[in-house]
Amino acid sequence: AQTVTQSQPEMSVQEAETVTLSCTYDTSENNYYLFWYKQPPSRQMILVIRQEAYKQQNATENRFSVNFQKAAKSFSLKISDSQLGDTAMYFCAFPRGGSQGNLIFGKGTKLSVKP
Amino acid sequence: DTGVSQDPRHKITKRGQNVTFRCDPISEHNRLYWYRQTLGQGPEFLTCFQNEAQLEKSRLLSDRFSAERPKGSFSTLEIQRTEQGDSAMYLCASSSVLGHSSAGGYTFGSGTRLTVV
Repeated sequence: AQTVTQSQPEMSVQEAETVTLSCTYDTSENNYYLFWYKQPPSRQMILVIRQEAYKQQNATENRFSVNFQKAAKSFSLKISDSQLGDTAMYFCAFPRGGSQGNLIFGKGTKLSVKP
Repeated sequence: DTGVSQDPRHKITKRGQNVTFRCDPISEHNRLYWYRQTLGQGPEFLTCFQNEAQLEKSRLLSDRFSAERPKGSFSTLEIQRTEQGDSAMYLCASSSVLGHSSAGGYTFGSGTRLTVV
């Protein structure tokens, strides 16, 4: 079965500090994509960052970066210089079948950035 | 094209009533997905379409639920004889599947929040 596990239900970080959100997954696929989505309170889910499993280089998008460990099936999200606007639910997800199926989501991590 | 649109944003209905939600995906996207999200949980897959064909239905989609995408553009999700347990956020997403990849990602709408009283 393909699963996504986020073991941190809630986290908090001080503004301008760095925080890392954890995600592990299980799949038998060899080539696949992994995603982190952000869902602010009462707002729509938006894509934060995407990683292709066949790429060894970790993806980076401005203050957001991932630590992708394929063998360990780990896909953590690092947020640097945290801002108040980063307060949101963060979901790790990957497509069933690896690349084009419906997304399988973790339960999410609620991140609070404190001033 | 401004993204994925969902209508209505909020719906309050009495138990036993029927409700219908609409999703307008990004026009270039051929895949459309419906998810249900309850408070504090990640979205759970309900069903998906490629163009007008319904590809898959989750076992979460009971007989009271039906979805259509008649012309391969917008989609509707209908819930008949609503129950309190149907209260949730219903999310629509679309993607462009080319070959074997949705590398372009999945774009979500703002969702329809259903409250059954």
